[in-house]
Amino acid sequence: QKEVEQNSGPLSVPEGAIASLNCTYSDRGSQSFFWYRQYSGKSPELIMSIYSNGDKEDGRFTAQLNKASQYVSLLIRDSQPSDSATYLCAVETGGFKTIFGAGTRLFVKA
Amino acid sequence: KAGVTQTPRYLIKTRGQQVTLSCSPISGHRSVSWYQQTPGQGLQFLFEYFSETQRNKGNFPGRFSGRQFSNSRSEMNVSTLELGDSALYLCASSLGTAEGTQYFGPGTRLLVL
Repeated sequence: QKEVEQNSGPLSVPEGAIASLNCTYSDRGSQSFFWYRQYSGKSPELIMSIYSNGDKEDGRFTAQLNKASQYVSLLIRDSQPSDSATYLCAVETGGFKTIFGAGTRLFVKA
Repeated sequence: KAGVTQTPRYLIKTRGQQVTLSCSPISGHRSVSWYQQTPGQGLQFLFEYFSETQRNKGNFPGRFSGRQFSNSRSEMNVSTLELGDSALYLCASSLGTAEGTQYFGPGTRLLVL
């Protein structure tokens, strides 16, 4: 079992729709969770971090964390073509080691 | 603030050679993590340094090594290069806490022929 799992996609949504990206992790002791966005040929950039159960909203982005289910998600509202990228879920597993999922490719169709 | 810088940006080496990559973190950041990114394996953790000490390492062979200097700059070295070492090598800097956001450099793209 991979430590951090994501659906590789591609996930295709029309412009203006909600994109829902999901991630599960295996280490129950993990405390810090991150979503990064990576455009083709570029390095990852942080979108959201979340540390406690529940929802965290930042503009069009909402991160959701459920530690009991070992599940993290990212919702993108009013998706734009510029949101088309690979989204990486990252989990800090303790000991200052961050494990990344393989990423979900998102396409937003104009 | 200046971002994370990595040098060189591109490298071509042949099998058996060794290579050294450099990373300068954001000013004030004392943690540097290194990752290997390939299309097949995604982003894989190599090691993390904080105040010149390696605090954790990933599952890579001993050919991969690193170090951190007193000014927080870090280098990673790969000896006896193999074709499979061709990848994008990314470093990320942070304050060094578990909650700390990592900021990535532009990466060094290594091609081993």
